[in-house]
Amino acid sequence: LAKTTQPISMDSYEGQEVNITCSHNNIATNDYITWYQQFPSQGPRFIIQGYKTKVTNEVASLFIPADRKSSTLSLPRVSLSDTAVYYCLVATLAGNNRKLIWGLGTSLAVNP
Amino acid sequence: DGGITQSPKYLFRKEGQNVTLSCEQNLNHDAMYWYRQDPGQGLRLIYYSQIVNDFQKGDIAEGYSVSREKKESFPLTVTSAQKNPTAFYLCASSHGQLATNEKLFFGSGTQLSVL
Repeated sequence: LAKTTQPISMDSYEGQEVNITCSHNNIATNDYITWYQQFPSQGPRFIIQGYKTKVTNEVASLFIPADRKSSTLSLPRVSLSDTAVYYCLVATLAGNNRKLIWGLGTSLAVNP
Repeated sequence: DGGITQSPKYLFRKEGQNVTLSCEQNLNHDAMYWYRQDPGQGLRLIYYSQIVNDFQKGDIAEGYSVSREKKESFPLTVTSAQKNPTAFYLCASSHGQLATNEKLFFGSGTQLSVL
């Protein structure tokens, strides 16, 4: 099963682009990669999801190389409100069950 | 508004006491999950249910119990056997189609503390 590994913390400044990379070396063929954002005392919320190459939505981009052993969440021009914990998730099928493999989260601090 | 509602937001447990955390969803989702969150440890799965009247143990089920009598509800009981219950508890749901691109929707969590 894939194991997801991501940096524990990152620091940035307002207006900068932030890239958070997650490694998932044993990802299986049909597994998707999903990123969630969590603010203190709240539940995580979906940011973006991808299978390969690049996905972009109104809040972020997700880059996945051809070997799919890693993925990079890109937050353009961060603001103070982007200070949060970001989780990488790989979902895989194990028999008749879906197994969700979470990273431990990356705590992003955006400074003025 | 559709979503997941967890209650209470804060809960205190006395030693030897069982407490129950509520989770209700109106998203018509088949699958529901309970996670425990401790500082620096990410999300750890306690129990999950793929469909009503069925549930499976997760990675840290000892000291916890659940029921899934209705599609909308998945209450979690923290029993006295759980010796270290202080944590942030998160309930989530998903469509339940066993797809790897299925998204999870989370409630706002319950912070449980021991008196």
